Amino acid sequence: KAGVTQTPRYLIKTRGQQVTLSCSPISGHRSVSWYQQTPGQGLQFLFEYFSETQRNKGNFPGRFSGRQFSNSRSEMNVSTLELGDSALYLCASSSLGGASTDTQYFGPGTRLTVL
Amino acid sequence: AQSVTQPDIHITVSEGASLELRCNYSYGATPYLFWYVQSPGQGLQLLLKYFSGDTLVQGIKGFEAEFKRSQSSFNLRKPSVHWSDAAEYFCAVGHAGGTSYGKLTFGQGTILTVHP
Repeated sequence: KAGVTQTPRYLIKTRGQQVTLSCSPISGHRSVSWYQQTPGQGLQFLFEYFSETQRNKGNFPGRFSGRQFSNSRSEMNVSTLELGDSALYLCASSSLGGASTDTQYFGPGTRLTVL
Repeated sequence: AQSVTQPDIHITVSEGASLELRCNYSYGATPYLFWYVQSPGQGLQLLLKYFSGDTLVQGIKGFEAEFKRSQSSFNLRKPSVHWSDAAEYFCAVGHAGGTSYGKLTFGQGTILTVHP
């Protein structure tokens, strides 16, 4: 099976813009989680989607949002970008309904740079 | 609140030497524990996981980890390190029950450098 894919791999934006990142889970996986990775804060959970529903959300401002489509592909959106949003955004998928104890398989990430 | 601590930010070993990366967790119930590895600019690859049962778990690439409830630890070990093991290693805990869907809490990571 193909792994988790994320597009684009690299992105450069300026402050105030918005950005949309895409994630395609492993075939058959219905749960998608998103994480932000920065040198200062490490890996932090953003949100999780299952069957097009957000079931869990981390402690991030409302500028961060996401959605999931019927084919389980997911997108996350960040509006009004700030310099501090520069990070590696990782998507992970799991197969067993998305329980937090499921094994999550990660994509290669999207590197977002905000200038 | 649940947390994961990796006390060593950076570890340097010689190729062929043994390795132990430390991980301590704080969690009120039975933890579900994972070790992931990340090469520069890449995503996370699962090395091994502990859900229940035998407290010594085997993973890929010759890694193993031992769950010690009394010490709240889940240390990662490898008997002989290869240069290709140089990477950053993350310990994580999953949250059973409730509404903690899809959430892993990660430690801050340990960077492993391997000298030839």
